[in-house]
Amino acid sequence: GENVEQHPSTLSVQEGDSAVIKCTYSDSASNYFPWYKQELGKGPQLIIDIRSNVGEKKDQRIAVTLNKTAKHFSLHITETQPEDSAVYFCAASYKAAGNKLTFGGGTRVLVKP
Amino acid sequence: DVKVTQSSRYLVKRTGEKVFLECVQDMDHENMFWYRQDPGLGLRLIYFSYDVKMKEKGDIPEGYSVSREKKERFSLILESASTNQTSMYLCASSPQGGQGYTFGSGTRLTVV
Repeated sequence: GENVEQHPSTLSVQEGDSAVIKCTYSDSASNYFPWYKQELGKGPQLIIDIRSNVGEKKDQRIAVTLNKTAKHFSLHITETQPEDSAVYFCAASYKAAGNKLTFGGGTRVLVKP
Repeated sequence: DVKVTQSSRYLVKRTGEKVFLECVQDMDHENMFWYRQDPGLGLRLIYFSYDVKMKEKGDIPEGYSVSREKKERFSLILESASTNQTSMYLCASSPQGGQGYTFGSGTRLTVV
């Protein structure tokens, strides 16, 4: 089955700096790569996703890049703000596996004012 | 907006008890999932269901069972709770063919 590894496990940045979280996956059949943000006391919420036919996607201050050859994808947050502090999860899935998401271990991001 | 509602936010149960965790979604989604979340391990799939009365094992089904009698409701059952089942449990749903999940807020279960 699919295996997703996520790094780093914790990330501390100064407000205004950029944050980058990296994930690798094992199954070359995976074609959907979402990122979730989990705030304290809440369930994970989808913040951005990318499909395998696209190399990069942006939504305001967040962007995701995908390198299918190397089987890795990354989340980039620019101009970080205190409200970006949360746990972020990457995930991967493919339709033949019933669209079940396999998650990385999570990254706790702390944005220091 | 899709809403996924988990019946309890916090639950404390004794070892050996039978525990029911309930999840209800209101957007007619075919797919429903139960994950447990532990620090450093991410979210691990326990069971999932693609339709009423259907269930399939995920990666860590041991010690758990599920029930899906109605499309909107997916229950996770701990047959005999043990301390190693202390965890955060997250329910999610997605439409048929859809790949994005909507999660509930989670149930933090403590088994003493």
